[in-house]
Amino acid sequence: SYELTQPPSVSVSPGQTARITCSGDALPKQYAYWYQQKPGQAPVLVIYKDSERPSGIPERFSGSSSGTTVTLTISGVQAEDEADYYCQSADSSGTFLVFGGGTKLTVL
Amino acid sequence: QLQLQESGPGLVKPSETLSLTCTVSGGSISSSSYYWGWIRQPPGKGLEWIGSIYYSGSTYYNPSLKSRVTISVDTSKNQFSLKLSSVTAADTAVYYCARGLMAGTTHAFDIWGQGTMVTVSS
Repeated sequence: SYELTQPPSVSVSPGQTARITCSGDALPKQYAYWYQQKPGQAPVLVIYKDSERPSGIPERFSGSSSGTTVTLTISGVQAEDEADYYCQSADSSGTFLVFGGGTKLTVL
Repeated sequence: QLQLQESGPGLVKPSETLSLTCTVSGGSISSSSYYWGWIRQPPGKGLEWIGSIYYSGSTYYNPSLKSRVTISVDTSKNQFSLKLSSVTAADTAVYYCARGLMAGTTHAFDIWGQGTMVTVSS
């Protein structure tokens, strides 16, 4: 089965830049999406189609893609950004959706 | 604005069928621009896509669950439903319904329900 691989954890100090990666063989062919999930809450879409930001998402959230890896970048991290972040994409056919294992972002 | 709300039993016995319904309000489930999906999250673990349905009834399922899952849509009630058969303790999770925004050959979930906890236990 198809898998997306994320680091389990990333830690940054307030004001620094956080980068969370997601790797998968089909990423050159399929869009990637990123979700933020805070404890006890439903996930929120923060990046779609690799690098587009939905309405209402702060500009400090950005996404990029290079080969089989996509990256979520949070510039000028704030305490409120502490959360779990999940990437999502699909297999090469687009019919099987998959989430990465999630990355816990800790703001020191 | 569009809202989704899950409903169904919070406790299901092992080997029985889990049944949940998602009611969509503030918009039509019959829009050609969206899929409608189910995602679950076991306690302390990550997200798992269960499956998605288009308003026409076309379905896409996670291969690992496909033999036990049925997702259906009722456009007259603006609802879609999930049935998961032969449940075990491993199916204990928060179950979310969500709207799937189409992009290329796939979709992302841009609006989510609040989630409902389902425990499998005798």
